[in-house]
Amino acid sequence: AQSVTQLGSHVSVSEGALVLLRCNYSSSVPPYLFWYVQYPNQGLQLLLKYTSAATLVKGINGFEAEFKKSETSFHLTKPSAHMRDAAEYFCAVTLYNTDKLIFGTGTRLQVFP
Amino acid sequence: DTAVSQTPKYLVTQMGNDKSIKCEQNLGHDTMYWYKQDSKKFLKIMFSYNNKELIINETVPNRFSPKSPDKAHLNLHINSLELGDSAVYFCASSQEWTRGYNEQFFGPGTRLTVL
Repeated sequence: AQSVTQLGSHVSVSEGALVLLRCNYSSSVPPYLFWYVQYPNQGLQLLLKYTSAATLVKGINGFEAEFKKSETSFHLTKPSAHMRDAAEYFCAVTLYNTDKLIFGTGTRLQVFP
Repeated sequence: DTAVSQTPKYLVTQMGNDKSIKCEQNLGHDTMYWYKQDSKKFLKIMFSYNNKELIINETVPNRFSPKSPDKAHLNLHINSLELGDSAVYFCASSQEWTRGYNEQFFGPGTRLTVL
């Protein structure tokens, strides 16, 4: 069965620093992988998704993620953090042949001035 | 122009009461979902409907009953509310069920507090 693990429930960076949020997946079939962001008191919004077309996926707000099959990883990065990036980030995988999302436990990103 | 809307945004009620949360999407999607987010931000799917037909029913107490009058609406009714039901409930929709790569669009959430 598919699953994702997010390493680090909290990540703190300074404004302008690199953001790296880690996600590892488990899947017996080629997975579809997603990163969603949840700003305070809001619903979730898709940042980017991997659908097997290209291993480096670019998303909104300057985020990108690289699918690495050898490492079973799909880490999210952004070269330079902004204060507005402070939010909860969720990695997710869909159950094979369905749109059922299985979420990781989330990583809270804090950005300090 | 809200894509997925939920009402109410906040719901405060006493234990034992019955309450409903409504969800509507104007995206023309076939599939809708209910998620529960607990106090630790963990998100878990509860139900999913595809074209008004129930396709996912996770291990949820039968006090929770979803209803889909048409494919644009998915409501959640909760009987005999308990303290442990306090959470944020999110509605979501996606274009179709069987592809696996469709984006899900989420509503703003309903924060339920049971006293």
